[in-house]
Amino acid sequence: DAGITQSPRHKVTETGTPVTLRCHQTENHRYMYWYRQDPGHGLRLIHYSYGVKDTDKGEVSDGYSVSRSKTEDFLLTLESATSSQTSVYFCAIRVSGSPHTEQFFGPGTRLTVL
Amino acid sequence: TQLLEQSPQFLSIQEGENLTVYCNSSSVFSSLQWYRQEPGEGPVLLVTVVTGGEVKKLKRLTFQFGDARKDSSLHITAAQPGDTGLYLCAGVWNAGNMLTFGGGTRLMVKP
Repeated sequence: DAGITQSPRHKVTETGTPVTLRCHQTENHRYMYWYRQDPGHGLRLIHYSYGVKDTDKGEVSDGYSVSRSKTEDFLLTLESATSSQTSVYFCAIRVSGSPHTEQFFGPGTRLTVL
Repeated sequence: TQLLEQSPQFLSIQEGENLTVYCNSSSVFSSLQWYRQEPGEGPVLLVTVVTGGEVKKLKRLTFQFGDARKDSSLHITAAQPGDTGLYLCAGVWNAGNMLTFGGGTRLMVKP
């Protein structure tokens, strides 16, 4: 599992509240990613990081921010949650040394915004 | 934006049958990966194909990358209930650092 954990695993929150999801890895991988998964859409990239304090936007970044102050932690924040952000969120790391961007995924966080 | 379309979206078959899942794009990909995902878990990498026309086998699963590197297929021979899951293809464009995922094929194999 490449030592990836996500917390919390489940969260229910209300519209307008801030939410932070945490991804933690134990193997010092440089690249980390946040995806959301919705029925019929596969996985869509929200943001990714290529090092401490180095991040970039993905396909569906609006309404989300990220931070990476340590190699092992990548945080995803919903500043003001909306019902459209109800989804399953996956963190992933890029296999170090992989020339083809192969990724290992965490177990996911199911977020419900009421 | 590079798009990957998977077909079919859903497939329900009996144990022992063969099936093929397709992943198509109008873009040329540097490489393409197939993942399998079970309920409540993250996707798990099955294979990476890199060269046009490449064929890789993983037990009863055969993966092929199109000659033009715009499409791929996954063929399962004699499907078993343990093959049930969501199959996702994902492409790397221009040797970059991001994956573009297809919408997935949900496979159910009935005993």
